[in-house]
Amino acid sequence: GAGVSQSPSNKVTEKGKDVELRCDPISGHTALYWYRQSLGQGLEFLIYFQGNSAPDKSGLPSDRFSAERTGGSVSTLTIQRTQQEDSAVYLCASARRGVWETQYFGPGTRLLVL
Amino acid sequence: RKEVEQDPGPFNVPEGATVAFNCTYSNSASQSFFWYRQDCRKEPKLLMSVYSSGNEDGRFTAQLNRASQYISLLIRDSKLSDSATYLCVVNSGFGNEKLTFGTGTRLTIIP
Repeated sequence: GAGVSQSPSNKVTEKGKDVELRCDPISGHTALYWYRQSLGQGLEFLIYFQGNSAPDKSGLPSDRFSAERTGGSVSTLTIQRTQQEDSAVYLCASARRGVWETQYFGPGTRLLVL
Repeated sequence: RKEVEQDPGPFNVPEGATVAFNCTYSNSASQSFFWYRQDCRKEPKLLMSVYSSGNEDGRFTAQLNRASQYISLLIRDSKLSDSATYLCVVNSGFGNEKLTFGTGTRLTIIP
C-alpha cells in the first residue's frame, strides 16, 4: 500500500516568509509525528497527534511553529516568519496506534531559508 | 546529560566482521526501545524493536539492560549493505508517546 507522503519535497524560501509543509499519513494510522533533522544532527521531535486527542506540542521550538491535523488524516506544519536556523529536513511519521509500534517515515521536506 | 546518547562513530568495519553499538538513555521510566536505520539522505526505517528479554532477527541482535539503562545492537557477518547510520530510539517515560532519537552511529562496511 501507499506509504507516508510529504510535499513539497524541497522548498526554498526567503527569510521572513511563511511556509506550509504537508504530510499524508498511511491510511488508518491514528498516530502522526513531526520531526526535524538539521545537517549532521539527530531527529528533533516537534509535535505528536493521536486520534482526536489534544496534540503534544512540547517539541515546537517557538510560537512561529504550528501544526494541524484535519479529519484525523492529513497534517500541515506551518512555519511563520521563517529564519535561517529553520533550514532543515522536516520529517513526518505515522504509526498504527502509538509509540510502541513502528513509525513509518515520509521522505521529508528539505527546507532552505535564504 | 542527553536523553539518549550514542557513540557517533564512524565505525569502519571489514565485510564479514561483527560490530556492536551501545546506546544509553537517561529516563529510567522509558518503556519502548528501538533501533532505526537511516541511509544517507533517506528517511529512517525501523530495524528492530528491543524487548526486555533481548531479541534476534537474522544477523542482528538487540539487548536491553534496564539496570544500567543501555541498549545494544550486534551485527554479525556484516554486509556492504549494512553501511548506514543506526539510530537508537527511546520513549520519554511511562505512558509518554514522545520518542527521543539518538544522533546516530555511522557504520561503513569496507570490502
